[in-house]
Amino acid sequence: GENVEQHPSTLSVQEGDSAVIKCTYSDSASNYFPWYKQELGKGPQLIIDIRSNVGEKKDQRIAVTLNKTAKHFSLHITETQPEDSAVYFCAGSDSSYKLIFGSGTRLLVRP
Amino acid sequence: ETGVTQTPRHLVMGMTNKKSLKCEQHLGHNAMYWYKQSAKKPLELMFVYNFKEQTENNSVPSRFSPECPNSSHLFLHLHTLQPEDSALYLCASSQSTGGAYEQYFGPGTRLTVT
Repeated sequence: GENVEQHPSTLSVQEGDSAVIKCTYSDSASNYFPWYKQELGKGPQLIIDIRSNVGEKKDQRIAVTLNKTAKHFSLHITETQPEDSAVYFCAGSDSSYKLIFGSGTRLLVRP
Repeated sequence: ETGVTQTPRHLVMGMTNKKSLKCEQHLGHNAMYWYKQSAKKPLELMFVYNFKEQTENNSVPSRFSPECPNSSHLFLHLHTLQPEDSALYLCASSQSTGGAYEQYFGPGTRLTVT
């Protein structure tokens, strides 16, 4: 079955710097990759997703890249702000409802 | 707000108690999910319902019993739980299970079993 690994487990950056979180997956059939942000006391919220027919997707300060050959995808946050501090989860799916989640990255943006 | 609500937000129960978690979605979705989130572990899918029919039981112990009376409501009935069942229980919904649709999560119920 699918296995998704996420790195790093914790990430601390200075406000204004960029943050990059990386995930690898094992199942070549996976073709949908969402990223979720979970703030303290809240459930995960979808922030961006990418499907395997594109290599990159951007939404303001957030971007996701996908390398199907290497089976990895990354989340890029530019010009980080304190409100970006949260736990970020990547996930993979083979076009089904079954999302296989990574173990999460705790991002801290230092003011 | 995501349009998915959960009650209660916090629950403390003894191992002999019976309690229920409730989830309601206001998004017009047809699929609903229960996930378990434990410390230092990835989110684990527990149950899936599509149009009120259970389509997934991810080898969950029988002390967890789901109920889906309609597409907007989902319950998780709990009885004779163990301390290791303490976790954040998350409900989610999506358009259906017929594809990789966005899943919208509720805020979760923080469960502590004493």
